[in-house]
Amino acid sequence: QSALTQPPSASGSPGQSVTISCTGTSSDVGGYNYVSWYQQHPGKVPKLMIYEVTKRPSGVPDRFSGSKSGNTASLTVSGLHTEDEADYYCGSYAGSNNLVFGGGTKLTVL
Amino acid sequence: EVQLVESGGGLVKPGGSLRLSCATSGFTFTNAWMSWVRQAPGKGLEWVARIKTKPEGETTDYTAPVKGRFTISRDDSEKTLNLQMNSLKTEDTAVYYCTTGYSYAFWIWGQGTLVTVSS
Repeated sequence: QSALTQPPSASGSPGQSVTISCTGTSSDVGGYNYVSWYQQHPGKVPKLMIYEVTKRPSGVPDRFSGSKSGNTASLTVSGLHTEDEADYYCGSYAGSNNLVFGGGTKLTVL
Repeated sequence: EVQLVESGGGLVKPGGSLRLSCATSGFTFTNAWMSWVRQAPGKGLEWVARIKTKPEGETTDYTAPVKGRFTISRDDSEKTLNLQMNSLKTEDTAVYYCTTGYSYAFWIWGQGTLVTVSS
């Protein structure tokens, strides 16, 4: 199972919006609506931010939103806060009871 | 409060074995699909293994690099998840997280336990 492709880095200034992409194939991202996104601060445990492509768990700010087009999913963070600076990982169901993650994107809030 | 607490990590030589455990509380363990996800130092997340519920036959699935070497199991009476790791390789060095959730997403994570495979 190949990892999903994410840009290694992304950045934005406070108040701006930034979008992180996650590219897979028709066998994972494109084939199922089971894309999830995780935020991980340095030395901390990953936190679920988005599931089923667009849904937010309770407690996650609505500044975080997810979408998908074809084999590419995206996470958009609107109105950037300094505390949004973290690593972000996408994940997807990949069929045959397999799951796959992206390589991660380091988001810097300038 | 929902809690997942891993134990059993440590230093082991290549070819050796280690058994990880995850003690759980605060949710209905018997109804939960449980997984292990690992993160090598400075690297990204990698799903390792998953076990379904007893009514679903405790079906197990593994990522390709660990098939035949790792075995995931559960003890519903103790609300504990286990991972038996044999024939360990240096590339298995990682923090191993116990995690659960639904819709193929991981909602709850333990703090992780570090496994170091080195001679």
